[in-house]
Amino acid sequence: NAGVTQTPKFRILKIGQSMTLQCTQDMNHNYMYWYRQDPGMGLKLIYYSVGAGITDKGEVPNGYNVSRSTTEDFPLRLELAAPSQTSVYFCATLLWLNTEAFFGQGTRLTVV
Amino acid sequence: AQTVTQSQPEMSVQEAETVTLSCTYDTSESDYYLFWYKQPPSRQMILVIRQEAYKQQNATENRFSVNFQKAAKSFSLKISDSQLGDAAMYFCAYRSASGNKLVFGAGTILRVKS
Repeated sequence: NAGVTQTPKFRILKIGQSMTLQCTQDMNHNYMYWYRQDPGMGLKLIYYSVGAGITDKGEVPNGYNVSRSTTEDFPLRLELAAPSQTSVYFCATLLWLNTEAFFGQGTRLTVV
Repeated sequence: AQTVTQSQPEMSVQEAETVTLSCTYDTSESDYYLFWYKQPPSRQMILVIRQEAYKQQNATENRFSVNFQKAAKSFSLKISDSQLGDAAMYFCAYRSASGNKLVFGAGTILRVKS
């Protein structure tokens, strides 16, 4: 049982490049989330999904896109990378309202 | 929109002593859930403790306990008998019973001195 798997773990992008951060879970959780964590700061919600085919914006969605075609996968797309997107990105899932969230190990992204 | 505030960017505690981390939140909801997560240098997010708003009794998990004051919208974490392994960033989080967002505070860095 792998839980929540994020790939890659590290990536360096040049300004203007695009990439997709992958998030896969094998727990059959409906709720999935993408957060970014800037150095020494808290987690800011980028996008979330309550089930396959349903996505919604969080507090910092600009510059990102998501899709949720299956329960298992929730990729995060950066189309035109900017230095302001340098951060650590976390994917999280949870089953129901009062249950704990399970997090991936994070992706450290640097845009230069 | 719900917000979570952690007013202590950094705290220090002597090993074996007790420390309390503060958290306040803003919501108009009456039913919700509160969490404390620990993030060690490995970056892994670990659930420390959770509290259901409808429960009056404060949650406890071994050395970790909370002081939940619903009227004051306060949810502090008390760590007793602090250990070196407790050193980490601690996040307070909120989730409405009727909403879908899981909202985090800015975090408190806890340093444990030997």
